[in-house]
Amino acid sequence: QKEVEQNSGPLSVPEGAIASLNCTYSDRGSQSFFWYRQYSGKSPELIMSIYSNGDKEDGRFTAQLNKASQYVSLLIRDSQPSDSATYLCALLMKTSYDKVIFGPGTSLSVIP
Amino acid sequence: DGGITQSPKYLFRKEGQNVTLSCEQNLNHDAMYWYRQDPGQGLRLIYYSQIVNDFQKGDIAEGYSVSREKKESFPLTVTSAQKNPTAFYLCASSVPRGFGNIQYFGAGTRLSVL
Repeated sequence: QKEVEQNSGPLSVPEGAIASLNCTYSDRGSQSFFWYRQYSGKSPELIMSIYSNGDKEDGRFTAQLNKASQYVSLLIRDSQPSDSATYLCALLMKTSYDKVIFGPGTSLSVIP
Repeated sequence: DGGITQSPKYLFRKEGQNVTLSCEQNLNHDAMYWYRQDPGQGLRLIYYSQIVNDFQKGDIAEGYSVSREKKESFPLTVTSAQKNPTAFYLCASSVPRGFGNIQYFGAGTRLSVL
């Protein structure tokens, strides 16, 4: 089993809809989780971090974490065409150093 | 402005040639990383460094080398031993674990083989 798994997509949603991105992971010891957005040809940028079970909201973005189910999700409300990008799920593993493992990413396309 | 600067943006390598990718940060971060990204894939760790004069191999270090002589600088050399170097290379630095280990990325270097 891969350490971080995501549906590759592409996920297409109409403008104004809710986009739901999902991520599962295998390392039960992981404590920190991140969602990065990557536009085509650009570097990733952090949009959300979450450390505790439950929901964390920031503007139109909500991250959800369920450690028992080893599941992290990102909801984007009122999706805009500018949200079209690849979304990378990542987690921090408990090793001798701060090792961050990235998933393969989910491509999101918001249709006007 | 604080940030991470990678250069060059595009780089072409001839067969048998070593090339060096530059990464400079002024965020005062101790930890720095090099990742490789292939099309449709996530980021894979090449090397990381937690402090000056110390670095460790990541998951795909073969064919690469690094140095960390200054806190601000973490250059990556792609050697001729790396037979498939074409990829997007990303340098990152991070705040300490106690502060969440959020990684900040440079703009990347796109390496191609001539």
